[in-house]
Amino acid sequence: DADVTQTPRNRITKTGKRIMLECSQTKGHDRMYWYRQDPGLGLRLIYYSFDVKDINKGEISDGYSVSRQAQAKFSLSLESAIPNQTALYFCATSDWGHTIGYTFGSGTRLTVV
Amino acid sequence: AQSVTQPDIHITVSEGASLELRCNYSYGATPYLFWYVQSPGQGLQLLLKYFSGDTLVQGIKGFEAEFKRSQSSFNLRKPSVHWSDAAEYFCASVNTGNQFYFGTGTSLTVIP
Repeated sequence: DADVTQTPRNRITKTGKRIMLECSQTKGHDRMYWYRQDPGLGLRLIYYSFDVKDINKGEISDGYSVSRQAQAKFSLSLESAIPNQTALYFCATSDWGHTIGYTFGSGTRLTVV
Repeated sequence: AQSVTQPDIHITVSEGASLELRCNYSYGATPYLFWYVQSPGQGLQLLLKYFSGDTLVQGIKGFEAEFKRSQSSFNLRKPSVHWSDAAEYFCASVNTGNQFYFGTGTSLTVIP
């Protein structure tokens, strides 16, 4: 099994719909992150969490919300999806010292039509 | 503000040729520096990292990178590229506040 699992892998949704992307990890890391990747823009941080009771906005949090249900689970929600949220979304985890950097999931490709 | 710059959006090399991907960072202190590779349809995989000490670091898949403080650079190199190295490469840094910064990526094409 993968260390960081994202579901679904692919999703097409309609404008205005609510959608949740889920992430679970078996690394035992406290820190979890959500990024989106767009061509030519690299990875941009949406939200991050350093432990279960800690939630922080990243550089592009508008239109998104997150929930840290447990140390191992961190979900990302789009309350009302819009087409410019079409992107590849990655969940990542890290340990406190970044001794191994990030561990990434395989990504969720989201298309909003 | 801290940032990471990858000047080359796309690079094409012949199989067997050497490779150097450029990365520049802006940060007052020495950051932690990383290189990741992303194969099509995959997540990002760590190639190597630099925290301190020896400025030439070895990674997986035959890659290495050299930290040069005077140039604020952390360029990735490989002596002989294989067709399987075709991918997107990302440089990243993290500061003492534990905030990661990614470059915009360099896409590598390998021609036979």
